[in-house]
Amino acid sequence: GAVVSQHPSRVICKSGTSVKIECRSLDFQATTMFWYRQFPKQSLMLMATSNEGSKATYEQGVEKDKFLINHASLTLSTLTVTSAHPEDSSFYICSARDWGSQGRNSPLHFGNGTRLTVT
Amino acid sequence: DAKTTQPNSMESNEEEPVHLPCNHSTISGTDYIHWYRQLPSQGPEYVIHGLTSNVNNRMASLAIAEDRKSSTLILHRATLRDAAVYYCILIDGGGADGLTFGKGTHLIIQP
Repeated sequence: GAVVSQHPSRVICKSGTSVKIECRSLDFQATTMFWYRQFPKQSLMLMATSNEGSKATYEQGVEKDKFLINHASLTLSTLTVTSAHPEDSSFYICSARDWGSQGRNSPLHFGNGTRLTVT
Repeated sequence: DAKTTQPNSMESNEEEPVHLPCNHSTISGTDYIHWYRQLPSQGPEYVIHGLTSNVNNRMASLAIAEDRKSSTLILHRATLRDAAVYYCILIDGGGADGLTFGKGTHLIIQP
């Protein structure tokens, strides 16, 4: 079945540095990918929608200058957390839909997440 | 998206069937009922979805009430690997947008 690969699975960085997370669709093309954030014992919160070849769409309250999204190809989207601070420590998850499988009812495929710890 | 209500947690024994309920009294005619689950420290995975008729796949069954105001995800024979948070989500017309996750049901499986 369709697979979404996310890298790295775990990263520790110092406060003030930037971290890039990659999300790849391995066997399908994704014109749209979604980025989520999940804090401990909470549900997933949609951060932004990544659009291939155009600007990302951010959810209310998500700073676009802090969470830079680039969707340069049909199989790769990246999320860069700029000037990270301890409060940015979270579980970041990407997802994409394989439109070819069931059209508009195609399920979302999720990566295995990236655990970011900012010290 | 219309709202869903699920119990915070449920407990079941291994190798027994599990029925996970979901209420969605404000569902619209074009809303599909989707179920996802999230195992510990992993991203969510798709389980099943339906519109009006009951659905079966290799992972589970989905029973949808006749008035569509509720549905039940059925795991026919739970294993320890089914311990996860299960999310019931309504998506309008199939949906092109990212999913909105509620709190889901934390399913605990006892050996």
